[in-house]
Amino acid sequence: EAQVTQNPRYLITVTGKKLTVTCSQNMNHEYMSWYRQDPGLGLRQIYYSMNVEVTDKGDVPEGYKVSRKEKRNFPLILESPSPNQTSLYFCASSVGQGINQPQHFGDGTRLSIL
Amino acid sequence: AQTVTQSQPEMSVQEAETVTLSCTYDTSESDYYLFWYKQPPSRQMILVIRQEAYKQQNATENRFSVNFQKAAKSFSLKISDSQLGDAAMYFCAYRSAPRRDSGYALNFGKGTSLLVTP
Repeated sequence: EAQVTQNPRYLITVTGKKLTVTCSQNMNHEYMSWYRQDPGLGLRQIYYSMNVEVTDKGDVPEGYKVSRKEKRNFPLILESPSPNQTSLYFCASSVGQGINQPQHFGDGTRLSIL
Repeated sequence: AQTVTQSQPEMSVQEAETVTLSCTYDTSESDYYLFWYKQPPSRQMILVIRQEAYKQQNATENRFSVNFQKAAKSFSLKISDSQLGDAAMYFCAYRSAPRRDSGYALNFGKGTSLLVTP
């Protein structure tokens, strides 16, 4: 089954404790992206990757890091999480370079930073 | 980045009736794609329908159709014969041709919460 898998689904942690949210897709998609969703703000892009070893900042990259060492994986790293990073996070992927391709989303990760 | 505006934070429709969700966007580009995504309480993001800007014909997917007005930069979603399972948050999204500063980002509106009443 084609899917984007995020882990964990839920996490409560404390300020400053490094955490990683993993994202894996099994569709051989080149493009992967991270979004955060906050009430009243919709979804905002954090980082994206157009292929292995190619990553770039989205609209709200501050406080986040990503890596793309393999095509299927695109982890989101919070080196020193802060309460303003409490949010619902989505990983997404899409095939090739075609802009008409819809993004396939993971089920979301709810992070609470205390 | 392109701006996507959904002016209706909440909408309500009775089962079996028709409802239209509005979306406008701001762009100077001629080549782009528009999408409607549905987010039910499970929080999944599900693609509902997409529209290529170069196509004049409005996209249709079963009970879902769009009214795409390119000159007006408007992209509304019509849901016919509404069902209880249609209750969700609906997001309009814009995707431009790839550029170095934005890649293949999807720019989302803030969403419209649709309530379906029996």
